[in-house]
Amino acid sequence: NAGVMQNPRHLVRRRGQEARLRCSPVKGHSHVYWYRQLPEEGLKFMVYLQKENIIDESGMPKERFSAEFPKEGPSILRIQQVVRGDSAAYFCASSDNSGTHEQYFGPGTRLTVT
Amino acid sequence: GENVEQHPSTLSVQEGDSAVIKCTYSDSASNYFPWYKQELGKRPQLIIDIRSNVGEKKDQRIAVTLNKTAKHFSLHITETQPEDSAVYFCAASIGGSYIPTFGRGTSLIVHP
Repeated sequence: NAGVMQNPRHLVRRRGQEARLRCSPVKGHSHVYWYRQLPEEGLKFMVYLQKENIIDESGMPKERFSAEFPKEGPSILRIQQVVRGDSAAYFCASSDNSGTHEQYFGPGTRLTVT
Repeated sequence: GENVEQHPSTLSVQEGDSAVIKCTYSDSASNYFPWYKQELGKRPQLIIDIRSNVGEKKDQRIAVTLNKTAKHFSLHITETQPEDSAVYFCAASIGGSYIPTFGRGTSLIVHP
């Protein structure tokens, strides 16, 4: 579980800037998920990726948000032209392809838009 | 799509008491039901899970029960301790889908 890494842990951006959030899954895991959590709310699914493929992005806003999981390197969630409403904790989780569905979460990135 | 309802939103108990958190789901195709514990400012951590081929699973002071007919599942914590204070999330995922739907969470407060 400790294997999912996210950075940065805290990110402050001014309105209109870009935010880049990185996630390195557990070694050997090929599935990555991104969630957004607002204060005192649950986890909202955003996007599910496998290496080089977006499998499901139904929870991600169509504009300003994009995600990738390249063949080499971490998964990246990118938010362009951030607005105050983007302030939240963004969690990444990973799972293997054994079909067990168990997800392991990273420590999260807390994005603050000023 | 799947819809998961979780109750109560807040649960306050005395140390040593039991705590029960209940969730319902809408899609009968769901077959995997994990529970996560999230301490303040920390990541969600899987504490127990159950699959649709069993009705109950226990791990020390924690147990989960599943009623497939009624489409609900519950988390039971016995002999609660202050360290159990956290937000607990239930989730359900459909067979073949890797994407769980989460409940809104229950804030458990255990008073010493």
